[in-house]
Amino acid sequence: DAGVIQSPRHEVTEMGQEVTLRCKPISGHNSLFWYRQTMMRGLELLIYFNNNVPIDDSGMPEDRFSAKMPNASFSTLKIQPSEPRDSAVYFCASSWTGRNTEAFFGQGTRLTVV
Amino acid sequence: GESVGLHLPTLSVQEGDNSIINCAYSNSASDYFIWYKQESGKGPQFIIDIRSNMDKRQGQRVTVLLNKTVKHLSLQIAATQPGDSAVYFCAEKSGGSNYKLTFGKGTLLTVNP
Repeated sequence: DAGVIQSPRHEVTEMGQEVTLRCKPISGHNSLFWYRQTMMRGLELLIYFNNNVPIDDSGMPEDRFSAKMPNASFSTLKIQPSEPRDSAVYFCASSWTGRNTEAFFGQGTRLTVV
Repeated sequence: GESVGLHLPTLSVQEGDNSIINCAYSNSASDYFIWYKQESGKGPQFIIDIRSNMDKRQGQRVTVLLNKTVKHLSLQIAATQPGDSAVYFCAEKSGGSNYKLTFGKGTLLTVNP
């Protein structure tokens, strides 16, 4: 298995533009997570999907952020409009549902908003 | 103004020495713990996990110790190698959730050849 695949690896965009980050989870996993990592706040959970349904989006910073999971093999995280404070590394992770299962992370997308 | 970021604890060891990385967790209801390793430019990678009904678990060159009384977790790396240089995170999963991992700040391990 290729693991969790994220694209793009790097994204530089201007303030106000729409940004879409993509994730392909590990085949067969039914849980998907979006995390954001910054020096200020460390790793933060943004949203969690189970069986393609958003279960917990309490970590989504504000309405400018939205996430979808149209099927079991694809998810997007969209920021519209983007702001410089959104600059961070965004990770997607997937796992089996269960109490004692680890999450497998992708390589991340480094987003820079100028 | 001055920016304030996460000041990662750092540990510097000589190649071949043993390393011990510590983590204090916050939720006494947490029942599952994971150590992750994050190398520069990569996502966190699973190293080892432990359930709350255990106090020790061993893997290849790594041992995790759990002390629930003081809510403390440690990762021991035997015969540390330059390739072990990375940021190490502990993560806890609370008993009330079967999905939510809460990550610690991380510790930067530097291995000197």
